[in-house]
Order: sequence, then C-alpha cells, then structure tokens
Amino acid sequence: EVQLLDSGGGLVQPGGSLRLSCAASGFRFNTHAMMWVRQAPGKGLEWVSSITGRGGDTFYADSVKGRFSVSRDNSKDTLYLQMDSLRGEDTAIYYCARGKSEGAVDWFDPWGQGTLVTVSS
Amino acid sequence: QSALTQPASVSESPGQSITISCTGSSSDVGGYDLVSWYQQYPGKAPKLMIYDVNNRPSGVSNRFSGSKSGNTASLTISGLQADDEGDYYCCSYAGGATWVFGGGTKVSVL
Repeated sequence: EVQLLDSGGGLVQPGGSLRLSCAASGFRFNTHAMMWVRQAPGKGLEWVSSITGRGGDTFYADSVKGRFSVSRDNSKDTLYLQMDSLRGEDTAIYYCARGKSEGAVDWFDPWGQGTLVTVSS
Repeated sequence: QSALTQPASVSESPGQSITISCTGSSSDVGGYDLVSWYQQYPGKAPKLMIYDVNNRPSGVSNRFSGSKSGNTASLTISGLQADDEGDYYCCSYAGGATWVFGGGTKVSVL
C-alpha cells in the first residue's frame, strides 16, 4: 500500500524555522516527483513546492520563494521542507503528495495525513 | 498565481446531479489538459477524483466525471449520495512548473 506520513509540525515564533518530513512507503520513491501543499485554517488548498524524482529540479510558489527549501533523501525514502523566516500567514496544515512520475507532476496522489504548523508569538 | 474560481457551495437532493465549475485563464485551465479534482472530508487529506480533465483513478465511482471547455473545467457528480458531501477542489497546471488550486466548493446533499 502506498503511504505518506507527514511530521515535524508545531508552534514556532515569527521569524523562526521548522523542518517538515514526509516518509514514503509502498512505491519506488525515486521514480516520482513530490510536492508540498498547504491549507490555512478554514481556507482552500495552496501549492507550495515541487521536486523531481532525482531531486535535480525544485520549484516554489511566489509566496514562499527564498524562504522555503524542498529536498529529498532517496536513500531514506523521505521528502523534506525547510521553512525559514516564518510568518503568521504560513500557519497551515502542510501535506506532502506524490506526483505522476519522475519528472512530471500532473496530479497529486496520494496525500499524507498533514502536519500542522502554527506561527505565533 | 491567482486561485481558480469555483462556486462557494452547491446543494442538491439525493439522486440528482450537480456540476461544479472551475474558471481560470488561458495561462492555466485553458492552456493545458492538466486539470485534476480533489474531494476532501472535514479533518481529512484530499483525495484525487479526476485527473487530466476527464480520467478517473481506479476505485473512483463512475458517477464522477470531468470535462473542460475553454478556460472552464467542470466536475459532474451524478446520482448524488450522502457520502458525496464534502469540499471539492480543482487544480490546474499554470506553466513554469507551478500549480494553482481553486478556492473550493462545499457540496451539500439535502
């Protein structure tokens, strides 16, 4: 069974940092692009970042560019999101999701269960 | 990267059909056949229901169908059932390896 397990969320002060993890199982991790999607409380979904299967290419939404960094360790089947200079508007549930293939996203399936990040003083 | 436009809510009786629209521009919905739809129950992760405009993943009921005309994509749910209640989001490729979601539509079964 394909599974994604998100972790690493928590309460952080504005300007602080946090690293999220997404542990994958049940499929060949390095043959799929991966992405992060977030959902602010009571709001809709927002694509945050994507990374190709080998990790050679990364992409970011304008709202997080320069502050967030996506990476992956294919030897550990794990995806990461390093979040720096956090702001209140970054408060959200963060989901990891799998893309269609190594270099193509096309759709998001499946999704992790999500991890809550709260930025507040 | 402006969000795609969806109706905030749609309601209908059991057994009836509903259609949820998702309007973007020629830079996203109209420019690529890479529209997908997601169902989300409260407190749960989203689930893929339609991909590449009109394809259903294995295990998704054939009561769900997708289409696209110009800059507007649509999700139709036929034979509405109680467990179809939830939030539905469209998503489109927006060029430059970026993706944009719709604002979401709350579906209520009366």
